[in-house]
Amino acid sequence: KAGVTQTPRYLIKTRGQQVTLSCSPISGHRSVSWYQQTPGQGLQFLFEYFSETQRNKGNFPGRFSGRQFSNSRSEMNVSTLELGDSALYLCASSPRTSGSYTGELFFGEGSRLTVL
Amino acid sequence: KNQVEQSPQSLIILEGKNCTLQCNYTVSPFSNLRWYKQDTGRGPVSLTIMTFSENTKSNGRYTATLDADTKQSSLHITASQLSDSASYICVVSANYGQNFVFGPGTRLSVLP
Repeated sequence: KAGVTQTPRYLIKTRGQQVTLSCSPISGHRSVSWYQQTPGQGLQFLFEYFSETQRNKGNFPGRFSGRQFSNSRSEMNVSTLELGDSALYLCASSPRTSGSYTGELFFGEGSRLTVL
Repeated sequence: KNQVEQSPQSLIILEGKNCTLQCNYTVSPFSNLRWYKQDTGRGPVSLTIMTFSENTKSNGRYTATLDADTKQSSLHITASQLSDSASYICVVSANYGQNFVFGPGTRLSVLP
């Protein structure tokens, strides 16, 4: 069974640009969540999608957005990039069913974003 | 405020030695507690998941304990190996699994 796939693995952007990251969950998993990881702040929850609907949202500005497609693949977008957005962005899928216990989180390898 | 604290922040041990990592949490309502191992530049990988009623759970050389009364958990690593060098993250799930609170992690270095 293929794991969680994130693309691209590495990317470099400049301030003011926007970026789109992609996540393909494990087959059969309908829940996809996104996290930002920085050395100073650790792992921070961005948002979670289930069946194309955002179920939970962390405390991030509106420049961070996401969506989920009917095949459960998800994308997150960061607009007007700032230097502080440099981080490892992790995606996780889980076998969550609607309204129930989330179950195990399976993480991808992450997309490392550097903003210059 | 829901919070997870981990100690020590970093730890260096010699190969073959044992070590114990600590996790204290103030998360309510508690759903479960997970330990993850994250190698540098990689995504976290689950080691154990413990619910309220579980006191101990093992995964090979990794043994996690949970004291729901004191809201403390520990991860004990036996006979450490060089490949154990990684960050270990404690994650507490609240509100029937709806929300996750992450600890800052403990950075473990195992030296030959």
